Amino acid sequence: SQTIHQWPATLVQPVGSPLSLECTVEGTSNPNLYWYRQAAGRGLQLLFYSVGIGQISSEVPQNLSASRPQDRQFILSSKKLLLSDSGFYLCAWSVPPGIRETQYFGPGTRLLVL
Amino acid sequence: AQTVTQSQPEMSVQEAETVTLSCTYDTSENNYYLFWYKQPPSRQMILVIRQEAYKQQNATENRFSVNFQKAAKSFSLKISDSQLGDTAMYFCAFRLHQGAQKLVFGQGTRLTINP
Repeated sequence: SQTIHQWPATLVQPVGSPLSLECTVEGTSNPNLYWYRQAAGRGLQLLFYSVGIGQISSEVPQNLSASRPQDRQFILSSKKLLLSDSGFYLCAWSVPPGIRETQYFGPGTRLLVL
Repeated sequence: AQTVTQSQPEMSVQEAETVTLSCTYDTSENNYYLFWYKQPPSRQMILVIRQEAYKQQNATENRFSVNFQKAAKSFSLKISDSQLGDTAMYFCAFRLHQGAQKLVFGQGTRLTINP
């Protein structure tokens, strides 16, 4: 069966520091991968998605970037964190193609920027 | 652009009761998918149920069922025989059949099941 991992689970970082969040998927090949952010009390907003190694699509202009160095690894990064980057970050995967494509989510990372 | 609206920020019912969560969406497309996700206090997003827009039959998953009204662009979730473990945030989400792979989420409904 497929599983998705995210780490760290919780992170407290000072403003201006760099960021690296990692997401890995097991049990599948060539998944679509996604990064979402959830602000407190809000719904999820898609940040990036990837349909293959090195292929990244950005949904919103922001202080963050994403990379996919391996088929089942997706990394969210920042060179200098802002206070507004605080939130809950969720990675998701889906297996294309197909009309029944569904996204499944990881456990998430809580990021607090002080 | 597609939008999803959940008009009930919070709901509360007694255990074993039936509860319906509302969701409306806006799109000019004809082929798409709709989802309900549950987010318990652990904050992991869990898929509850999925509906393909081309299917007229409403999806069901055990105690969970939907009322999909395509013309009205409405997609409500009914939870029967509610249980304490159903307490969570519930999000309605939309995805197009073609094109961008993203899910568009509503703002969520906080559901509390009381003993």
